Amino acid sequence: EPEVTQTPSHQVTQMGQEVILRCVPISNHLYFYWYRQILGQKVEFLVSFYNNEISEKSEIFDDQFSVERPDGSNFTLKIRSTKLEDSAMYFCASSGKGGLYEQFFGPGTRLTVL
Amino acid sequence: AQSVTQLGSHVSVSEGALVLLRCNYSSSVPPYLFWYVQYPNQGLQLLLKYTSAATLVKGINGFEAEFKKSETSFHLTKPSAHMSDAAEYFCAVSDRTGNQFYFGTGTSLTVIP
Repeated sequence: EPEVTQTPSHQVTQMGQEVILRCVPISNHLYFYWYRQILGQKVEFLVSFYNNEISEKSEIFDDQFSVERPDGSNFTLKIRSTKLEDSAMYFCASSGKGGLYEQFFGPGTRLTVL
Repeated sequence: AQSVTQLGSHVSVSEGALVLLRCNYSSSVPPYLFWYVQYPNQGLQLLLKYTSAATLVKGINGFEAEFKKSETSFHLTKPSAHMSDAAEYFCAVSDRTGNQFYFGTGTSLTVIP
């Protein structure tokens, strides 16, 4: 069964450093998403991506964040200069189409900023 | 604007007992509603979804949910809990574009043998 994969499973970084979180969506999917979940809090939408551009982004997704689909298979989230409050679980998701169709989630990357 | 509220961050039931996880939504447009389950160290897996067809939706693992517009609710139920049901459950709402999902804070289900 196809699945969304994410690497690494856990990333530890120093405050101010850049991190890139990587995702491989399901191969024939067209819509891609990033979410984050701070420990003990709700899953929060960050950004959606379609046709090589951002479709929607939340207020969390400020200039420190960027997304890219560098090739036909990867979808990355970059945090330019990490802050302590960026520590969270980051989930990637993909769907064949938006709206009616479900989003398939990866297992997440736990980011710890020290 | 859309949002969901999950009442009860922790729910404990005995094995074989009814499972009821509550979700209320707020939406300015007809919503799509979803329940996801998250097992430890895994991603979110779709249990079921409501997309304006039948109001009673059946999902995987014996779960079902009923969309009640008058109560703005989409509660998740299962007649008989199994030990393997122990997990975190998230309710989510989306508009018809699907560009954004809004998740609840989650309910942790514990099943007592």
